[in-house]
Amino acid sequence: GENVGLHLPTLSVQEGDNSIINCAYSNSASDYFIWYKQESGKGPQFIIDIRSNMDKRQGQRVTVLLNKTVKHLSLQIAATQPGDSAVYFCAEKPQGGKLIFGQGTELSVKP
Amino acid sequence: NAGVTQTPKFQVLKTGQSMTLQCAQDMNHEYMSWYRQDPGMGLRLIHYSVGAGITDQGEVPNGYNVSRSTTEDFPLRLLSAAPSQTSVYFCASSYSGVYGYTFGSGTRLTVV
Repeated sequence: GENVGLHLPTLSVQEGDNSIINCAYSNSASDYFIWYKQESGKGPQFIIDIRSNMDKRQGQRVTVLLNKTVKHLSLQIAATQPGDSAVYFCAEKPQGGKLIFGQGTELSVKP
Repeated sequence: NAGVTQTPKFQVLKTGQSMTLQCAQDMNHEYMSWYRQDPGMGLRLIHYSVGAGITDQGEVPNGYNVSRSTTEDFPLRLLSAAPSQTSVYFCASSYSGVYGYTFGSGTRLTVV
């Protein structure tokens, strides 16, 4: 049926603050996880990934944390900037399966 | 490298019309896939291909056909457009189908 009026979860932060975007994944057999950033009118862009044998991975201004016990993934963005405003998707990949994307969270950065 | 190129960027169809969404990549990726994105929802896999001559169905394949005659191209065909197919369509490719997905910029399709 039609999905009318669905709204993404929204996170609003002040410029310069740290942002934490959360994602609950569904499959305990997933062994690879990715965070994507999607700006308005564009396709998703890879931010950072993590394999299931790790619980933390850091990039430039971003950190991904993986808690397999509770099937939770988070993306931390340090010193959030207006250019970070976008929709952020997590994706999980079950072993032997295809990428499964989450619903997405809209990050809004106030100057 | 152009990456993943999708055409057209926008399209309006009447119910019952057919059309082909084009996707091309120049990264020599074996794996290509089509997703649709609807408001408030994540990306849903329509069809995918692990190499030239090989295609398979994803989560929401009904109403769509694909073919993979070359490594570079993976067109998506709408056989008889319906309003439920109004969506934004993304093509993605990767070297292995596991890591390093690259997405195109999308095709916004409206079926009236």
